[in-house]
Amino acid sequence: DTGVSQNPRHKITKRGQNVTFRCDPISEHNRLYWYRQTLGQGPEFLTYFQNEAQLEKSRLLSDRFSAERPKGSFSTLEIQRTEQGDSAMYLCASSPTTGGRGYEQYFGPGTRLTVT
Amino acid sequence: AQSVSQHNHHVILSEAASLELGCNYSYGGTVNLFWYVQYPGQHLQLLLKYFSGDPLVKGIKGFEAEFIKSKFSFNLRKPSVQWSDTAEYFCAVKEGSQGNLIFGKGTKLSVKP
Repeated sequence: DTGVSQNPRHKITKRGQNVTFRCDPISEHNRLYWYRQTLGQGPEFLTYFQNEAQLEKSRLLSDRFSAERPKGSFSTLEIQRTEQGDSAMYLCASSPTTGGRGYEQYFGPGTRLTVT
Repeated sequence: AQSVSQHNHHVILSEAASLELGCNYSYGGTVNLFWYVQYPGQHLQLLLKYFSGDPLVKGIKGFEAEFIKSKFSFNLRKPSVQWSDTAEYFCAVKEGSQGNLIFGKGTKLSVKP
């Protein structure tokens, strides 16, 4: 497999602007997850999809955040009206739900967001 | 709230020393347990996992971990570390039927050559 890919790898934006990140999961994986990681912390769960259905959202996911996975393949995470506190590494992961590796999550390289 | 605790923030060892990194979780039900590693400049990689069965699980690169249900622990071990093991290590828990992982804050391991 080619692994989970994320674009862009880095994004610098001004406070108040909107940003959108893309994640392409491993092709046969039907679950896709978004996490956020700040310095000195482990990844914190934001939301996840099974195919195109968004099954769970964390309380961390404020109204300014929205995620989609329209055809059950790639996913986008949009942050509206960015704030400095949104600066973090945004990680995407994917997993199968069946087979010997069911629920093992494979992570992408992340998108580092800096809000100035 | 459910949580994962990693006891050591930064561990410094010399090559060939033995390693044990602690991990405790707070959830009392069925759990799946994971250790991930992040080498400098790289993304998170799965080191090993426990789903069921033998509580002593072996992973890649000579790492192993032991699940002790009564202690809510899943400590990571390696008998002899190498300089190339320098990385950050994250313990993670998946609770019951939930999809997401809950991560600890990570332990940075520095191995001196």
